[in-house]
Amino acid sequence: AQTVTQSQPEMSVQEAETVTLSCTYDTSESDYYLFWYKQPPSRQMILVIRQEAYKQQNATENRFSVNFQKAAKSFSLKISDSQLGDAAMYFCAYRSGYSGYALNFGKGTSLLVTP
Amino acid sequence: DSGVTQTPKHLITATGQRVTLRCSPRSGDLSVYWYQQSLDQGLQFLIQYYNGEERAKGNILERFSAQQFPDLHSELNLSSLELGDSALYFCASSVGDLATNEKLFFGSGTQLSVL
Repeated sequence: AQTVTQSQPEMSVQEAETVTLSCTYDTSESDYYLFWYKQPPSRQMILVIRQEAYKQQNATENRFSVNFQKAAKSFSLKISDSQLGDAAMYFCAYRSGYSGYALNFGKGTSLLVTP
Repeated sequence: DSGVTQTPKHLITATGQRVTLRCSPRSGDLSVYWYQQSLDQGLQFLIQYYNGEERAKGNILERFSAQQFPDLHSELNLSSLELGDSALYFCASSVGDLATNEKLFFGSGTQLSVL
């Protein structure tokens, strides 16, 4: 089974600064999708950004961008111009392109944003 | 608001009891997924239904069962409850069966406490 590792249980960033959350994954598949989900205190799981493995270009969604290093099996999330509303748990997730039903999640990184 | 509705939001029960969690997917979505989020296990995929039929199974215990009804809402039944079943149970939905590159939309979860 594919495993997803988030090595940073907690991260802190000042408002307006940039922070990078790390994620590595283990797979032997060539077709897969990677995701970052945000879980604020409301508990809602919100999709932040998605990356298809076959795409070389890194995905970007407004202030959120990823650094996808396929050979290194690394998928980091960069949050620019951090806002207080970015404070949340962030989960990295993997989905197979072959049996693509289940999302495999990492343990999460708790992001604190300070004024 | 993701459009996925889960009820109840909170549930407190005793060991050995049986409970039913309910999920209404987004309008038009045919697939429903159930996930369990606990402190020690993280987010784990339990089961998926697509248009009334079971499509995929994850780490779902035999004491747990689910079904999807003709109106596409789904219920997750948890029986012979144990303390370790205390967790946040998420329902998610998607248009298809995620064989293609689709988005997954999560509900706000049902927090189950087994005392």
